[in-house]
Amino acid sequence: ILNVEQSPQSLHVQEGDSTNFTCSFPSSNFYALHWYRWETAKSPEALFVMTLNGDEKKKGRISATLNTKEGYSYLYIKGSQPEDSATYLCAFGGYSTLTFGKGTMLLVSP
Amino acid sequence: EPEVTQTPSHQVTQMGQEVILRCVPISNHLYFYWYRQILGQKVEFLVSFYNNEISEKSEIFDDQFSVERPDGSNFTLKIRSTKLEDSAMYFCASSRGGTNEKLFFGSGTQLSVL
Repeated sequence: ILNVEQSPQSLHVQEGDSTNFTCSFPSSNFYALHWYRWETAKSPEALFVMTLNGDEKKKGRISATLNTKEGYSYLYIKGSQPEDSATYLCAFGGYSTLTFGKGTMLLVSP
Repeated sequence: EPEVTQTPSHQVTQMGQEVILRCVPISNHLYFYWYRQILGQKVEFLVSFYNNEISEKSEIFDDQFSVERPDGSNFTLKIRSTKLEDSAMYFCASSRGGTNEKLFFGSGTQLSVL
C-alpha cells in the first residue's frame, strides 16, 4: 500500500497570510505528482501535474515544487484569500494509478 | 469547457440491492477511473479503464464491483449486492493520458446504503 501523507491536516489563516502545505510520497516508481483543489460541494479540480525532479509550477498566487529524490512536494499560497478555502489534495502517480493523500483543509478568514 | 457528468447525484438503496452509477467522461479522453471517498477518509482508487478493459483495480474492487463502457460514451460502475460499508461518495474521472495527465472529475454520486 502506497503511503502518501499530507500535512498539516487542517489550517486556519487570516486573509493576506501566506501558507504552505507538504505532500510526502514514495521516491520509487514515480511518474507524476498531482495537486487538486476540492471546494465544498464541487468536484476536485486539477492545479498542477509535475513529473520532473526540481519542477516548479505557478498559477496566479499558487505555486508548487517537487523533489522526487526525497519524495516531497510543497504547495504555496501567497496572500491567501477567502476564496482559497478548500481541501488541497496531492496524488502520487505510479505507472497506472493515482494514490491520493488525505488532504489539507484550508480555511481563510476575512 | 467540457466536463465529466455523473448521475444520479444521490442514490439511496437497501443493503443487498444492486446499484449502477453512471458517468459520461469527456469525449476525447482515453482513460477512465472510479474513485470513492468514505466520509472522513481518503479518496480511494477503485479501478482504471483503458482501451475497453480494466487496466488496474484495487483490493476494494472485488467480485461485487464491475465496470462497463457499453456504448462509447457512458462509463458505469455496478455494485451487485451493496453493503453498508459501500456508502460513500463515488467519483468518476477521465484523462487524456496516463498518470502524467491531470484528471477531470465528475461531481460525484453520494451512495447511501441502508
